Formats: sequence, structure tokens, C-alpha cells
Amino acid sequence: NAGVTQTPKFRILKIGQSMTLQCTQDMNHNYMYWYRQDPGMGLKLIYYSVGAGITDKGEVPNGYNVSRSTTEDFPLRLELAAPSQTSVYFCASSYWGPDSGYTFGSGTRLTVV
Amino acid sequence: KQEVTQIPAALSVPEGENLVLNCSFTDSAIYNLQWFRQDPGKGLTSLLLIQSSQREQTSGRLNASLDKSSGRSTLYIAASQPGDSATYLCAARAPYYDKVIFGPGTSLSVIP
Repeated sequence: NAGVTQTPKFRILKIGQSMTLQCTQDMNHNYMYWYRQDPGMGLKLIYYSVGAGITDKGEVPNGYNVSRSTTEDFPLRLELAAPSQTSVYFCASSYWGPDSGYTFGSGTRLTVV
Repeated sequence: KQEVTQIPAALSVPEGENLVLNCSFTDSAIYNLQWFRQDPGKGLTSLLLIQSSQREQTSGRLNASLDKSSGRSTLYIAASQPGDSATYLCAARAPYYDKVIFGPGTSLSVIP
């Protein structure tokens, strides 16, 4: 059981470049989330999805886009990368309902130079 | 707006001590509260999940309590070991927009 898988684990981007962070889960979870973690700041929600075809903004969505064409996949797109997007990105998923906890991927460390 | 804080930001204890990590949240209308462990450069591992109707959860040497009325949760670690060294984060799941709000974490060092 793989859980939540994120790729790549590390990436260096130049300012203005674009990239997609991949996230896939094999637990048939309805909900999926993208967070970024900055040192000493905790995790901030970027986007989330409550099911295939449905996405919504979180606390810090600017500069990012997402799609959810299948239950399993929830890619995060960075357009025109900026140094402020240097961070560690985590994907998470949970089953439907408020009683469920979260399962996290191992993260993608992104540096924009 | 829900805010989650954790005190202290860092803690260093000798091996064998019992310790308590604190988590506070401003809005008592939560579905659940979850404690995570994060090792350096790694993802988050779920430790304990407390539903809003529960008062505590236990797993091995870990015990987490929840007091919604006071907006507090504590994580108790018994007989600490060097392998417990990590950052511990709490997260409150809010009923609106189905969001989870994370605290900034407490960095724990257990000295042999």
C-alpha cells in the first residue's frame, strides 16, 4: 500500500520557469490537499479538492493552479516561478467526512533561484 | 478565523523524562484534532487523532488529550527516548470549508 506519493522529491527552478508537482494516492480518498511549509511557519493550505472535478482555493493560492481529473491524482502547477515559492510542498489526502485524519506524502523541496 | 498555536517552540529534555507538548486553538468548533510527527527533511506521520466527542487517545507511550471548551490539546510523552527527537505538530480540522489548520510545531530534542 503506497499511500500518498509525491514526485519529484527535489527540484531547482529558475525564476519564470514553470513546473508541475505530482501527487497520487491509492487509498480511494475523496479529499486531497496541497500545503506548503516554510521554516517556523507551519503548513499553509494552497488548494484542496473534495472529489474529482472539484477544486477550491486555500489560504495561499496565488501563483498556483490545480486540477483533479481522477480520484487518485491531484497535480499542482506552478506558473512563472518566483523566489517566494521556495518551500517544501506536501500533498495530503483524507477519506470523506470530518472523522477522518490526514495521510501525507513525503514532500517536494523546491528552490527557485 | 481558527488559529492554532504551540508552546514551546523548542524543548530539550534528558532521556527518560516525561514531557508535555501544548496546542491551543481559538475556535472550539472543531471536528477533530490530530498530532503529527515530522523528522528533519521528511513528511508528516500521524500519531494520534482525537474526535471532537473524545477526551483522549493513547498509543504506546503517547497520550493526547482534548479540551474543546478551553481550546487546548496536550501531547504527553512518557519515558522519552532519543528517537523521539523530532518536530511535533498539531492540526485542528474545522467544519467550514473542511480545512485543517496547523500549528507551527514544537521541536523536541531528547538528550541521551
